[in-house]
Amino acid sequence: EVQLVESGGGLVQPGGSLRLSCAISGFTFSSYWMHWVRQAPGKGLVWVSRINNDGSSITYADSVKGRFTISRDNAKNTLYLQMNSLRAEDTAVYYCARVSPLGYQLNWGQGTLVTVSS
Amino acid sequence: EIVLTQSPATLSLSPGERATLSCGASQSVRGRYLAWYQQKPGLAPRLLIYDASSRATGIPDRFSGSGSGTDFTLTISRLEPEDFAVYYCQQYGTSPQTFGQGTKVEIK
Repeated sequence: EVQLVESGGGLVQPGGSLRLSCAISGFTFSSYWMHWVRQAPGKGLVWVSRINNDGSSITYADSVKGRFTISRDNAKNTLYLQMNSLRAEDTAVYYCARVSPLGYQLNWGQGTLVTVSS
Repeated sequence: EIVLTQSPATLSLSPGERATLSCGASQSVRGRYLAWYQQKPGLAPRLLIYDASSRATGIPDRFSGSGSGTDFTLTISRLEPEDFAVYYCQQYGTSPQTFGQGTKVEIK
């Protein structure tokens, strides 16, 4: 069974940092591109970042470029999102997702809530 | 980036009725690379349709997708109680991939 389990969310002050993790099981992690997608409370889905299967190709949404860093450890079957210089508008549930070769999300984790507030 | 506009925002229907959800793109979606997701409260989205009309694994055949270019449709032929949820379209043909704002299908 495919499983993606996010962790690391919480309450952080503006300007602060958090590191999200996504532990995967049930598929060969090193064979798939992975994405982070976020959803602000009561709002829609917004793509955040993607990383290819070996970590050599990375893309970010303009809204997080220069502040967020996506990475992966294929030996540990874990995806990461380092979030720095957090803003109130970064408040959202963050989902990790396994991605098809074409780019749509095959499977999603349950999400982890990040709240940026003083 | 490609803006996707979903209509209507809310669809009020009864179980057994047919639901037709629309997704319009600000420019042509390359390769019919459009997906539909279902999301229930407090849960993650679930892939229903990819490549505009292909059903994902395990998705019942009452769900169907159609369209090309800038106009796409998700049809639920007969609504089951578990189908009342929010539905999002997504284009993944042009970077950055983008999502519509969602259509809520609620019980009338």
